[in-house]
Amino acid sequence: RKEVEQDPGPFNVPEGATVAFNCTYSNSASQSFFWYRQDCRKEPKLLMSVYSSGNEDGRFTAQLNRASQYISLLIRDSKLSDSATYLCVVIRSYNTDKLIFGTGTRLQVFP
Amino acid sequence: DARVTQTPRHKVTEMGQEVTMRCQPILGHNTVFWYRQTMMQGLELLAYFRNRAPLDDSGMPKDRFSAEMPDATLATLKIQPSEPRDSAVYFCASGLAYRGKDQPQHFGDGTRLSIL
Repeated sequence: RKEVEQDPGPFNVPEGATVAFNCTYSNSASQSFFWYRQDCRKEPKLLMSVYSSGNEDGRFTAQLNRASQYISLLIRDSKLSDSATYLCVVIRSYNTDKLIFGTGTRLQVFP
Repeated sequence: DARVTQTPRHKVTEMGQEVTMRCQPILGHNTVFWYRQTMMQGLELLAYFRNRAPLDDSGMPKDRFSAEMPDATLATLKIQPSEPRDSAVYFCASGLAYRGKDQPQHFGDGTRLSIL
């Protein structure tokens, strides 16, 4: 079982839709959490950090549930440009910089 | 806009050849990471350095892979001898490490490696 698990998708949604991705992690000591975005044949780029209290950045909302060990990403009012793979990322502890990546969830937004 | 620079962008070579990939981290960053990405396994960490010292290379096949940081502006990943199963995209990333804070890493464009 992978340490960070995601539904690979693809999620096919129309423009304007709201879509949510979940991610689970197995190491209960994990400390830091992120969502990265990766476009086809490009490098991963940080989308947003995930804080315990939940956080929002424009149309994107991230939530963390430590008790259930899952992280979510909600995208409202989807745009065609949101089409990409979304990677859930975990850092295990404060004394390491190692990012543990999920395999990603692919989103395709259609007109 | 500062970026991580990787060379070469593409590499095609025959099995058994040595492959060297290079990375120039963002100036001022003190951590450097090497990742490999395949369709089957996703992104896997191969090795990482902090202040040029190797901290973890447990994800790297030791018999054929080696990673070094000869100076703060250059990281290298070598494969010798290369095998077809090494075909993948290799990403370098750099970041600024400090305890208890978010540590976003910035990725280079990657090296697309094909071993025939």
